[in-house]
Amino acid sequence: GAGVSQTPSNKVTEKGKYVELRCDPISGHTALYWYRQSLGQGPEFLIYFQGTGAADDSGLPNDRFFAVRPEGSVSTLKIQRTERGDSAVYLCASSSDRATYNEQFFGPGTRLTVL
Amino acid sequence: EDKVVQSPLSLVVHEGDTVTLNCSYEVTNFRSLLWYKQEKKAPTFLFMLTSSGIEKKSGRLSSILDKKELFSILNITATQTGDSAIYLCAAPTSNTGKLIFGQGTTLQVKP
Repeated sequence: GAGVSQTPSNKVTEKGKYVELRCDPISGHTALYWYRQSLGQGPEFLIYFQGTGAADDSGLPNDRFFAVRPEGSVSTLKIQRTERGDSAVYLCASSSDRATYNEQFFGPGTRLTVL
Repeated sequence: EDKVVQSPLSLVVHEGDTVTLNCSYEVTNFRSLLWYKQEKKAPTFLFMLTSSGIEKKSGRLSSILDKKELFSILNITATQTGDSAIYLCAAPTSNTGKLIFGQGTTLQVKP
């Protein structure tokens, strides 16, 4: 079946611009996670959705980052006034529950480059 | 503060060698430990471990958890060039299931 998909696969933008990254989770998965992975590091948690609501946004680095999941399926991560330090691979994962015992399935990621 | 630490950070071996990757953790209310393989961008799931001392095996890969000493190992026998990847260890850190990852071990298998 279809896995987690993310678009675009690559995004190059200029410092100060606004970007949106999209995640399409596995159908029926209620839990959705965003992570950010910098070069040479493991992924770092950003935000978790259970259904439509952001149940945990403690990983968002600052108020330039925001994410929505209005219908409980597709999610969009939004970054305002991008900075060079935002350059990273943004990964989305979904799970059939809160992943306490269920593995998270990852998408291919969006590589964001801020010039 | 919860943390996951992997070692070594990188490893170069030749085809046919056996490798052991290490993962230690300090996680409040520990539930499970997961191993992922990351070749390009998407980490792909390998194992989930919840019980101490029970080996999980998939082909040439196997993994075991020690909840007393707070670590896990991932073994790969008879390595192949296709095993070259970053291997990530992670644990859910709260009721939300958000994962905390180690830095990863970059494995390069030379022909």
